[in-house]
Amino acid sequence: QVQLQESGPRLVKPSETLSLTCTVSGGSISSYYWTWIRQPPGKGLEWIAYVYYSGSTNYNPSLKSRVTMSLDTSRNQFSLNLSSVTAADTAVYYCARGSHKGTNGAYGMDVWGQGTTVTVSS
Amino acid sequence: SYELTQPPSVSVSPGQTARITCSGYALPKQYAYWYQQKPGQAPVLVIYQDSERPSGIPGRFSASSSGTTVTLTISGVQAEDEADYYCQSADSSGTYVVFGGGTKLTVL
Repeated sequence: QVQLQESGPRLVKPSETLSLTCTVSGGSISSYYWTWIRQPPGKGLEWIAYVYYSGSTNYNPSLKSRVTMSLDTSRNQFSLNLSSVTAADTAVYYCARGSHKGTNGAYGMDVWGQGTTVTVSS
Repeated sequence: SYELTQPPSVSVSPGQTARITCSGYALPKQYAYWYQQKPGQAPVLVIYQDSERPSGIPGRFSASSSGTTVTLTISGVQAEDEADYYCQSADSSGTYVVFGGGTKLTVL
């Protein structure tokens, strides 16, 4: 059974870069859309970005100027970098596996990590 | 930017049927997905591709699509179904993932 686990610093200072890694265990990193999603305290879910197993990426337009995702197939990991963070970036960050893709592009997240809380504060 | 609209809250008594709607102009073209999220937990996929149920999801969860609205139906609601529910899809080009604002289901 595929499992995802987020790792990275829980506290980041304003203006610095938030870096998270998701480790995929129990399955291959091939053929899926590896995705980051976040949830600010008391608020809803926000899609951040995905990286396809081929290495192609796609970012939320509202975050695109600050986001970078990458994939390391040798380690079965994918990562997120979010630069110039502010308090508004404080959230639970989830990594997820995207699948069940339709022919017109929409896909869903069928496996999720437990989430990691990242706080932006000096 | 593209938005999916859900009611903030829905309340039902145990054993009744709960219906949660999600509206968006691109839904006739793009599949919808539904997630259940309980406090302090990660979301769980309960419906994919408009109306398909993943293995392990109880049969009381179903969904349908009609035009620009998709509906999640929970029949015979149980106390354990109390949670936040999110719909999710993509914009008309299929480029960007979009979530609805979420609906809090309260079991009275």
